[in-house]
Amino acid sequence: ETGVTQTPRHLVMGMTNKKSLKCEQHLGHNAMYWYKQSAKKPLELMFVYNFKEQTENNSVPSRFSPECPNSSHLFLHLHTLQPEDSALYLCASSQDLDYTDTQYFGPGTRLTVL
Amino acid sequence: AQTVTQSQPEMSVQEAETVTLSCTYDTSESDYYLFWYKQPPSRQMILVIRQEAYKQQNATENRFSVNFQKAAKSFSLKISDSQLGDAAMYFCAYRTNRDDKIIFGKGTRLHILP
Repeated sequence: ETGVTQTPRHLVMGMTNKKSLKCEQHLGHNAMYWYKQSAKKPLELMFVYNFKEQTENNSVPSRFSPECPNSSHLFLHLHTLQPEDSALYLCASSQDLDYTDTQYFGPGTRLTVL
Repeated sequence: AQTVTQSQPEMSVQEAETVTLSCTYDTSESDYYLFWYKQPPSRQMILVIRQEAYKQQNATENRFSVNFQKAAKSFSLKISDSQLGDAAMYFCAYRTNRDDKIIFGKGTRLHILP
């Protein structure tokens, strides 16, 4: 596989469930990102990792917990979510954190919280 | 505040015609990159074209070109010879050299009429 992949593509969960989103990049990049995409709103950056180290947490509630075991994999652990957390969650990667680096996006996970 | 404004939530264009998507942004930085991303329905977001703020020459990628007016903080996207595959959400965005985050607009949904 090439590029950035995300699993699952769709997820429905109750507010008391615990689930995880997975992202994998096959581009040899060092930086990875989680974004939240809600209808009629700009993409919101959630977390940034560079060489497995978290460099940014954009005031995200603690019910979202990221994990980056290596530069190729990024997880987003979810627990006790709210219905307003329903959205498309996008993963992206870039060579490094330089502002000139293009970000490559995955297809996203469509999350529905009941 | 750093913002990107896409004033056209939706647009339609006849196949083979030309369409221009508008974008304005607000930043106090002088060193930044501007981007147009395309997100087809249920598919990955991909970079269409990018422009370095220091370059006066407008970027061009095949049928896609930009009109970059730095003083006006305007960055419009022109699509020539529109094709059915151009139907997508188009996001304007920028990133400065001082930040890890890309600032996105809310997007413009482009319909191509056969």
